[in-house]
Amino acid sequence: DAKTTQPPSMDCAEGRAANLPCNHSTISGNEYVYWYRQIHSQGPQYIIHGLKNNETNEMASLIITEDRKSSTLILPHATLRDTAVYYCIVRLGSQGNLIFGKGTKLSVKP
Amino acid sequence: NAGVMQNPRHLVRRRGQEARLRCSPVKGHSHVYWYRQLPEEGLKFMVYLQKENIIDESGMPKERFSAEFPKEGPSILRIQQVVRGDSAAYFCASSPLSSTPYGYTFGSGTRLTVV
Repeated sequence: DAKTTQPPSMDCAEGRAANLPCNHSTISGNEYVYWYRQIHSQGPQYIIHGLKNNETNEMASLIITEDRKSSTLILPHATLRDTAVYYCIVRLGSQGNLIFGKGTKLSVKP
Repeated sequence: NAGVMQNPRHLVRRRGQEARLRCSPVKGHSHVYWYRQLPEEGLKFMVYLQKENIIDESGMPKERFSAEFPKEGPSILRIQQVVRGDSAAYFCASSPLSSTPYGYTFGSGTRLTVV
């Protein structure tokens, strides 16, 4: 079973920041938080991952709370092409299977 | 640098036939993972293979399903005597030999329809 909890759906206006929350209250010290997304009918796409520090790359930023029990994925300027299901996954280090939950369906609207 | 290649993209089989799904991992990757996605549901892990070895098949149905990843050639997911409930998208992912923090690279999937 997935070890994360996400809202089933969210809307965001085009050009605004999309903030996607994820709860992982049972995360252990050596487990990473990964984010993937799945655009309709395509294979999942890696976005970003982190352990305890905030991370940023060309796609998104990941903010992890100090107690590591929750995190937020931030898409700074959402576009229509960011409409997708976003999955927050907890994974043991760099090994282990990715266990997908139901994710958050993000709809970016013009 | 080609990504994970899956074929066919779409596969239609009649009930009782066999389905063979192929996955060529990213060049240099020796770990392959298969996932199944039923309509309107999330991805479910099926099996994890390294070259010539099944590492974890905890998500595979006990009957009719098998997977292999030979020394040469693609990984094959085989479904015998397909039933309508096998209709789904099957995704393959790969990762390199050494452990990687970047997770997996996924293919575009094979959509199996059983009629």
